[in-house]
Amino acid sequence: SQELEQSPQSLIVQEGKNLTINCTSSKTLYGLYWYKQKYGEGLIFLMMLQKGGEEKSHEKITAKLDEKKQQSSLHITASQPSHAGIYLCGAAFSGNTPLVFGKGTRLSVIA
Amino acid sequence: DAEITQSPRHKITETGRQVTLACHQTWNHNNMFWYRQDLGHGLRLIHYSYGVQDTNKGEVSDGYSVSRSNTEDLPLTLESAASSQTSVYFCASSAGVGNSPLHFGNGTRLTVT
Repeated sequence: SQELEQSPQSLIVQEGKNLTINCTSSKTLYGLYWYKQKYGEGLIFLMMLQKGGEEKSHEKITAKLDEKKQQSSLHITASQPSHAGIYLCGAAFSGNTPLVFGKGTRLSVIA
Repeated sequence: DAEITQSPRHKITETGRQVTLACHQTWNHNNMFWYRQDLGHGLRLIHYSYGVQDTNKGEVSDGYSVSRSNTEDLPLTLESAASSQTSVYFCASSAGVGNSPLHFGNGTRLTVT
């Protein structure tokens, strides 16, 4: 959806390096969701952010929602091959509309 | 454990045929969704339901229909399959809308020849 832009589209990093994926909305976010997808599989929920300035972490992955609630970043520290996959952000713009998704960021981690 | 199951995992059909993709969830969620995933387009919403007998059109609903006769199932029907409907289809469910994560099935890869 054009309402939600992810960058970069793809990323190749060396194992052990840090990386950041961005998700920018054209509208104020009611909620922002991060998912990970491995090839041929469904989407796995990572984190949900709703409050401006909120930051959540799960293992080596940290996600943050900016104060204005129009952009979120996903940061991976010391990347590992297990982090490889497609990362998608999904946005709720209200409490009664389905999620809209970005086009995804394909992450490859090389040794 | 609760889960959401899609069937079949792979389907090849011919242009013009009617096809139904199944989605069954044991989360007891009221909200169910169908998305399609295509290169360059990401995930796009086809149809969704907020409860039994409720159905709503999404961004790309033309050529698709759904029905919700119980809480657990939301089958997606392609009335007359077209090559443009070749895609990977994902079903999802959630406890709430906007404030709850979606739980996704593993997808159905549909090829229309």
